[in-house]
Amino acid sequence: SQQGEEDPQALSIQEGENATMNCSYKTSINNLQWYRQNSGRGLVHLILIRSNEREKHSGRLRVTLDTSKKSSSLLITASRAADTASYFCATDRMWGAQKLVFGQGTRLTINP
Amino acid sequence: DTEVTQTPKHLVMGMTNKKSLKCEQHMGHRAMYWYKQKAKKPPELMFVYSYEKLSINESVPSRFSPECPNSSLLNLHLHALQPEDSALYLCASSPGTLRSEQFFGPGTRLTVL
Repeated sequence: SQQGEEDPQALSIQEGENATMNCSYKTSINNLQWYRQNSGRGLVHLILIRSNEREKHSGRLRVTLDTSKKSSSLLITASRAADTASYFCATDRMWGAQKLVFGQGTRLTINP
Repeated sequence: DTEVTQTPKHLVMGMTNKKSLKCEQHMGHRAMYWYKQKAKKPPELMFVYSYEKLSINESVPSRFSPECPNSSLLNLHLHALQPEDSALYLCASSPGTLRSEQFFGPGTRLTVL
């Protein structure tokens, strides 16, 4: 089964609103990453948060990590139409070579 | 140069064909990856190369054969594929295999007839 599970599966909001996506995982991790994918294209790395970090910011993005609950959230503030994409969390296990396991993803639609 | 390139962008092949997908990066990254992604699903890891050696093979059928001729190039040789192998094939690279972001190419959209 997938290491990461995300909710919601789909989210539709108005431009300017904030969007929050959640990710849960099952095993201990080294870090958790968030990626964006525009339709049928490659993935773009957004942010990486290490297992000993609780919160990280990058521009309009805020990521939190709660290792006790094995969950993370991605907040996009002041959303724009260009933020329309699929968002995936990806986890990297505690042991062994880096093997990213992606969550099912959240399809975000920003309505103008 | 901070991008990963993949060729071709689209590929249509029959089940008896032999074709290859190509991936290239010039960022000096020492780890390269192949992923398979079906529609509306997350990418699934197929292979990892670390310092030009295959380090992870996720039990991929032998009709997929990876090759890493040098540190900048990664190929995926395809032979006797099935229609269910139709998918977006993504290549990625990272500075090393330890805990770092991956840089993805735009993918090759493969259709097997």
